[in-house]
Amino acid sequence: KQEVTQIPAALSVPEGENLVLNCSFTDSAIYNLQWFRQDPGKGLTSLLLIQSSQREQTSGRLNASLDKSSGRSTLYIAASQPGDSATYLCAGEGGSNYKLTFGKGTLLTVNP
Amino acid sequence: NAGVTQTPKFQVLKTGQSMTLQCAQDMNHEYMSWYRQDPGMGLRLIHYSVGAGITDQGEVPNGYNVSRSTTEDFPLRLLSAAPSQTSVYFCASSYHPADTQYFGPGTRLTVL
Repeated sequence: KQEVTQIPAALSVPEGENLVLNCSFTDSAIYNLQWFRQDPGKGLTSLLLIQSSQREQTSGRLNASLDKSSGRSTLYIAASQPGDSATYLCAGEGGSNYKLTFGKGTLLTVNP
Repeated sequence: NAGVTQTPKFQVLKTGQSMTLQCAQDMNHEYMSWYRQDPGMGLRLIHYSVGAGITDQGEVPNGYNVSRSTTEDFPLRLLSAAPSQTSVYFCASSYHPADTQYFGPGTRLTVL
């Protein structure tokens, strides 16, 4: 059974800092890895999707990497802004079972 | 496009009552799924569907039924509500489970 862990559970940084959020998974047969953002009281918004054949994806100030051999993914946020404050979740899809497994998320606070 | 819509936004039920949470998408997505989100537990998959007429169980299916008579709609039925079903429920859709997932805004359910 796939298990996804996110560390740290919460992170507080000053504005302008570069930061890394971590996601680890137990089954290296993962097919893809997605990163989501969730604002309080809202649904999830997809940020980046990394297919198993890819090593990383970039969107603006966000860069996500995937290392299947080590069971890890990272989300790098450059030059953080207060508007980046949210909960960030990662989720892995196992390929043949059509099921996404989510981590519990990292609550990010960027202080002005 | 409206994307993924969910109704109602909020609902209070008494123990033993039944109800249906509605989910609809206008993106012609084949894959749809239901999650519940609880503090400290993250998002857990309840049921999913890979196309009209096809549904399957996720991680926590007990107490819930689903059907998929059309591509657009994927309702979630609570048969006999219990306080343990107090949660926030999210519906999601995509062309394929390995593709970017689009989430609805959620339904906050309280069972007294």
